[in-house]
Amino acid sequence: QKEVEQNSGPLSVPEGAIASLNCTYSDRGSQSFFWYRQYSGKSPELIMFIYSNGDKEDGRFTAQLNKASQYVSLLIRDSQPSDSATYLCAVSNDYKLSFGAGTTVTVRA
Amino acid sequence: SAVISQKPSRDICQRGTSLTIQCQVDSQVTMMFWYRQQPGQSLTLIATANQGSEATYESGFVIDKFPISRPNLTFSTLTVSNMSPEDSSIYLCSVEGRDGGFTEAFFGQGTRLTVV
Repeated sequence: QKEVEQNSGPLSVPEGAIASLNCTYSDRGSQSFFWYRQYSGKSPELIMFIYSNGDKEDGRFTAQLNKASQYVSLLIRDSQPSDSATYLCAVSNDYKLSFGAGTTVTVRA
Repeated sequence: SAVISQKPSRDICQRGTSLTIQCQVDSQVTMMFWYRQQPGQSLTLIATANQGSEATYESGFVIDKFPISRPNLTFSTLTVSNMSPEDSSIYLCSVEGRDGGFTEAFFGQGTRLTVV
């Protein structure tokens, strides 16, 4: 079983719609959860982090964490073409990060 | 946040040769991490480098293939030795940042390696 699993893509959404990304993790001791965005040919950049159960909103992005279900998600509201990228879920236990395989999102204009 | 300079940004190498990748951070950090991202894949941790001690390698990675140096708190190198086409990947240097007690990873711009 992979440590971090993401819903397989690619995910195609029309401009202005909501993109929903899901991630599950296997280590119950995981403490912090991150969403990175990676444009093609670029290194990952952090867009959201969450460490408490519930929702966390930052602009058009909302991260949701449910530790009992070992589930974390990312919603992108009012999707823009510039949101087209691969989104990586990462989970931290102590100092090490484990990454999911990523979900590629394409926003259609 | 930390600013990480990584070089070279890309290289094309002959099989059987070695390439050393350098990573410079603008602040002192305890741990530096090296990741590999194979084409179409996610990031896989190669090793953790602490200053003054040997690097800690993850399962599937060995020091003979990926020797790491960490001479001070702002600098590290990763060498990819005796390269084969299977080593063609993006190699990323990362450092941790702590904010409110949890870890965030900052990444260098990566080194895109092609082995021919």
